[in-house]
Amino acid sequence: DVKVTQSSRYLVKRTGEKVFLECVQDMDHENMFWYRQDPGLGLRLIYFSYDVKMKEKGDIPEGYSVSREKKERFSLILESASTNQTSMYLCASSTGTKLFFGSGTQLSVL
Amino acid sequence: GENVEQHPSTLSVQEGDSAVIKCTYSDSASNYFPWYKQELGKRPQLIIDIRSNVGEKKDQRIAVTLNKTAKHFSLHITETQPEDSAVYFCAASTGNEKLTFGTGTRLTIIP
Repeated sequence: DVKVTQSSRYLVKRTGEKVFLECVQDMDHENMFWYRQDPGLGLRLIYFSYDVKMKEKGDIPEGYSVSREKKERFSLILESASTNQTSMYLCASSTGTKLFFGSGTQLSVL
Repeated sequence: GENVEQHPSTLSVQEGDSAVIKCTYSDSASNYFPWYKQELGKRPQLIIDIRSNVGEKKDQRIAVTLNKTAKHFSLHITETQPEDSAVYFCAASTGNEKLTFGTGTRLTIIP
């Protein structure tokens, strides 16, 4: 069974802090994604990666960056956290069209 | 880019009745349309999908229909049960593994 693991379930940070969200998948999937989930807005794509060391912007990349140094790990970075980045962050991986999601990280920025 | 609209945002149906959720998409190049179900506190999971060369697909009590001309697709759940209560997301893709999701429908099954 595919396992996508996000390092934290809940995270509380202060405005201006640098925040790292980590995601690891164990199925050798080429593709990895970071989504943000907000009530009434659905799942919005922040960044995605088709291979190691490559990345592409999604629909809402502003204020975020990513890193993929190893195939199994995809990190989302908030360079300077702001209150409007308070949200549920979902990581996903795929080797085709079917996405496998992690359990999510609820980030609160105070 | 692709834009996916989903309706209704909330839906309540009596147990045993049918539920229908509708989505429209903007990019005529989209050719893959999955539906994900997210139970409370859990991760989204794929429940059914359809490709543009097919008009309808069924899997037990759930079915998806696609109208390419009108650029809309729908999820149909028959004989609803309490475990069908969840948030459902439609999505569209042009086949490059990048999905654009709708805003979600919270389905509540009333016992």
